[in-house]
Amino acid sequence: KNQVEQSPQSLIILEGKNCTLQCNYTVSPFSNLRWYKQDTGRGPVSLTIMTFSENTKSNGRYTATLDADTKQSSLHITASQLSDSASYICVVSRTGTASKLTFGTGTRLQVTL
Amino acid sequence: DVKVTQSSRYLVKRTGEKVFLECVQDMDHENMFWYRQDPGLGLRLIYFSYDVKMKEKGDIPEGYSVSREKKERFSLILESASTSQTSMYLCASSTYRGPSLETQYFGPGTRLLVL
Repeated sequence: KNQVEQSPQSLIILEGKNCTLQCNYTVSPFSNLRWYKQDTGRGPVSLTIMTFSENTKSNGRYTATLDADTKQSSLHITASQLSDSASYICVVSRTGTASKLTFGTGTRLQVTL
Repeated sequence: DVKVTQSSRYLVKRTGEKVFLECVQDMDHENMFWYRQDPGLGLRLIYFSYDVKMKEKGDIPEGYSVSREKKERFSLILESASTSQTSMYLCASSTYRGPSLETQYFGPGTRLLVL
């Protein structure tokens, strides 16, 4: 069964600290993996996308890694800001049409003073 | 910037009512999608469309139908709303840019409460 599991479910950190979110998947055949950020009451916004051959992708203070052998990805946030408070969703795509996306349930991150 | 808009941010309807959720995108995207998002379940695909007047069922189409009469507009219809359809509904659009390059752009969502 195609699944995407994320951990932790929720996380609270102090502003300025770093954190790492995890994503494990069993989706096959694998095409690519995306991380989305979803602010409360808004739609998800794409942060990074990685294909099978990429193992690191950065977008500002966000760095995603991918290990296609172990089927694991992580999203590292550096020097967190209050605006980073959101849900972070890992999405894995199978080869074929765009509809073949499997969504994780997300990690809810809260950055506090 | 891609803009995907949804007709309502919040809706309250009664059981048995027919409900229309509208989605419009302004980037001439071929593909449009309807998802629902529930706590602990992630986003689940209801229906999608690759072209005008074309539709395909997603993972949870039961109780829903869709309409795509124009390229920029994709409507989700709840024929007879039930309390189990209380949820956040998200519309998305995308265009094909090559293998592994297609990104879905989401609207702000409609939070539907069925009483």
